[in-house]
Amino acid sequence: DAKTTQPPSMDCAEGRAANLPCNHSTISGNEYVYWYRQIHSQGPQYIIHGLKNNETNEMASLIITEDRKSSTLILPHATLRDTAVYYCIVRVAAHLTGTASKLTFGTGTRLQVTL
Amino acid sequence: EAGVTQFPSHSVIEKGQTVTLRCDPISGHDNLYWYRRVMGKEIKFLLHFVKESKQDESGMPNNRFLAERTGGTYSTLKVQPAELEDSGVYFCASSPFNSGRSGDTDTQYFGPGTRLTVL
Repeated sequence: DAKTTQPPSMDCAEGRAANLPCNHSTISGNEYVYWYRQIHSQGPQYIIHGLKNNETNEMASLIITEDRKSSTLILPHATLRDTAVYYCIVRVAAHLTGTASKLTFGTGTRLQVTL
Repeated sequence: EAGVTQFPSHSVIEKGQTVTLRCDPISGHDNLYWYRRVMGKEIKFLLHFVKESKQDESGMPNNRFLAERTGGTYSTLKVQPAELEDSGVYFCASSPFNSGRSGDTDTQYFGPGTRLTVL
């Protein structure tokens, strides 16, 4: 799986949009970008994933650049409860290989949402 | 729909003792994963079951760790004998993906974890 690079930490004011960047310059054509977060010591929580088109769900939006070498996770109106470590993970799509596979976590971005 | 559950939530044992962690995946999920996070380190993959079979056990640290998934439902992870460096949080995750079913995703859903402390 391709390696990802994320800033170690970011701050965001409550109510503002949080934009978390991720670089994955070696991503291959059959790899998806996944985002997870870990709030304090809870289990990692799935947020969103995408291949090449922008994606949006009830939690966040994922913007992937046209060359797919980077992406941005957007939390449109951050709240204090969004304070967490956010992980950007690249992995091969299971439906292309026929096999599910592990997640490889890096160090992530620690997002601190403040009043 | 119930999420992934893990038991116990905390376990404190002494070095040399045995501990068994349990994970109940989301009903119908064929894939079950174990991960762990030791103090100050990243979350690391341990192993992956597809139903009752071990698909990938490349992350298992040594032969003191034994994982089972009899019947393809819940899984147990036994540490025997436990060492100090085994302390950490053990997470379980499951995903529905099955290559024979279209539309299944490989999105993994995690349980709350078991915090293991070895004294």
